Amino acid sequence: GQQVQQSPASLVLQEGENAELQCNFSSTATQLQWFYQSPGGSLVSLLSNPSGTKHTGRLTSTTVTKERRSSLHISSSQTTDSGTYLCAIVAASSGSWQLIFGSGTQLTVMP
Amino acid sequence: NAGVIQTPRHKVTGKGQEATLWCEPISGHSAVFWYRQTIVQGLEFLTYFRNQAPIDDSGMPKERFSAQMPNQSHSTLKIQSTQPQDSAVYLCASSLWGGARAAETLYFGSGTRLTVL
Repeated sequence: GQQVQQSPASLVLQEGENAELQCNFSSTATQLQWFYQSPGGSLVSLLSNPSGTKHTGRLTSTTVTKERRSSLHISSSQTTDSGTYLCAIVAASSGSWQLIFGSGTQLTVMP
Repeated sequence: NAGVIQTPRHKVTGKGQEATLWCEPISGHSAVFWYRQTIVQGLEFLTYFRNQAPIDDSGMPKERFSAQMPNQSHSTLKIQSTQPQDSAVYLCASSLWGGARAAETLYFGSGTRLTVL
């Protein structure tokens, strides 16, 4: 089945530094989404970006579909950005539609 | 909009007991998804419904796990004879079309943390 690999597994930054998170997937994805999960919190969708570059606030996602990779760039990181960032692709077949998640990047932003 | 509501937030059961988890999707959303999250396995898809009909239960353990959606306002996940390995956070999500349209966002609830002793 489809697989999603994220790197790095964890990342520690000083406040104000930029973060670059990577996502690689095993087959062409018709959709790709980035989620954020706060410690002990629920998942929140950040960006849906199946191809190209998208921006929202301090977040920029770039997906190169033919290379099966996506990145999430967080500029000027803040302590409140700490948490887990998950990449997910859509697996669609035979009328079914579901998200396959990577294992996440745990980001810690130090003050 | 209260978002996806899951109850209870925490549930502790003894080995062999039954656990029922509840999910209320966002009003107007036609699809409900169930996922399970553990440290070791990460987020695993269990099952989903579209317009109350079961579409894909390929992630459900074939024994002891069942899910229903009796009406458009709630879904339940039932685990019979719970085992310690069932301990996890069970997440429910809903979406507007359940994949019937090209671009879609899943909205997740806060989850139910199940602990089986």
